[in-house]
Amino acid sequence: EAQVTQNPRYLITVTGKKLTVTCSQNMNHEYMSWYRQDPGLGLRQIYYSMNVEVTDKGDVPEGYKVSRKEKRNFPLILESPSPNQTSLYFCASSLSPTYEQYFGPGTRLTVT
Amino acid sequence: AQSVAQPEDQVNVAEGNPLTVKCTYSVSGNPYLFWYVQYPNRGLQFLLKYITGDNLVKGSYGFEAEFNKSQTSFHLKKPSALVSDSALYFCAVRDVTNAGKSTFGDGTTLTVKP
Repeated sequence: EAQVTQNPRYLITVTGKKLTVTCSQNMNHEYMSWYRQDPGLGLRQIYYSMNVEVTDKGDVPEGYKVSRKEKRNFPLILESPSPNQTSLYFCASSLSPTYEQYFGPGTRLTVT
Repeated sequence: AQSVAQPEDQVNVAEGNPLTVKCTYSVSGNPYLFWYVQYPNRGLQFLLKYITGDNLVKGSYGFEAEFNKSQTSFHLKKPSALVSDSALYFCAVRDVTNAGKSTFGDGTTLTVKP
């Protein structure tokens, strides 16, 4: 089954404790992206990757890091999480930017 | 900078009536436009897109949208609403000149009442 998977689905952590949210797709997609969803703010793009080893900032990259060492994986790293990073995070992938994005199920992160 | 506006936070319609969810956009180049739907506690699902060609595009579940370049709009429509269409709808835009960057609207909650 074609899908985007994210882990963990739920995470509660404390301020400053480094964490990684994994994202993997099995569709051989070139493009991958991370978003955060906050009430009333829609989805805001954090980082995106056009291909392996090619990443670029979205609208809200501060406090986040990404890497794209393999085509299928695009982990999101929070090196020192803060409470304002409490949010619902979505990973997405598409064949190319002109194609629709497939979204993962989301990761609900709470930073206390 | 590119942007998307969904002017209505909430749209309420009766089952069987037509529905419209509005979207306007701003990009410096030509747009790629998308509509997605999000059901409660789920990820987003693709509905339809405009890349080029015919201004009227048809998508999943009977939805359609019309690209209007002069009004920079891409409104989502359906001739006859179903209760099961109740969900959160997002419009998204990419600029041809910087297609990696994707901007979403704030979303419109559609409620279809029986």
